[in-house]
Amino acid sequence: QVQLQESGPGLVKPSETLSLTCDVSGLAISNGHYWGWIRQPPGKGLEWIGSIYHSGSTNYNPSLKSRLTMSVDTSKNQFSLKLTSVTAADTAVYFCARLNYDSSGPRIYYYYMDVWGKGTTVTVSS
Amino acid sequence: DIQLTQSPSFLSASVGDRVTITCRASQGISSYLAWYQQKPGKAPKLLIYAASTLQSGVPSRFSGGASGAEFTLTISSLQPEDFATYYCQQLKSYPFTFGPGTKVAVK
Repeated sequence: QVQLQESGPGLVKPSETLSLTCDVSGLAISNGHYWGWIRQPPGKGLEWIGSIYHSGSTNYNPSLKSRLTMSVDTSKNQFSLKLTSVTAADTAVYFCARLNYDSSGPRIYYYYMDVWGKGTTVTVSS
Repeated sequence: DIQLTQSPSFLSASVGDRVTITCRASQGISSYLAWYQQKPGKAPKLLIYAASTLQSGVPSRFSGGASGAEFTLTISSLQPEDFATYYCQQLKSYPFTFGPGTKVAVK
């Protein structure tokens, strides 16, 4: 079955760049899905970060767009996130997920996030 | 961005109770809504998508409904493993925003 696993530093200094990778197993990342990142600050709700297609096409949350870069490496079957100029407000659990869909007709795609990684905790602190 | 509100934000219930959570969108999203369950320290789990389609493997006591811009998640008979936080998410337009969550706790 499809599995996702996040990895990256657990501690990042303020003003530096947060870099995370999501390894995908059980399915080729180029199989035709979008892949996404979601984060959850301690004790708070979920925030959509963005998504990427295997072609490299992206959709970013406007609140993060100026600091965010997502990329795909099909040879390693993984996708990545870079967030620059981090502050304490970026401290969160970061999840990667598959964005799957059902189609009920031409140009009608009901998306949903059906496979999630376990999440990785990132703390921004000096 | 499309904003989602959930009510209640917290509810206490007993095993066997019927529980309904409501999610409202700030603008029309048709049926582009999903529901997730999250337990402490775990990733969210997909329950329902397209407002009312039950994800494979999810118990049939969970159901989703829609009426205009109002969506509901109903648990017909609450089980011990259902105590968790529930989130709705709109997938009509980017960014795919989440509701603030509803925590279901033991009465």
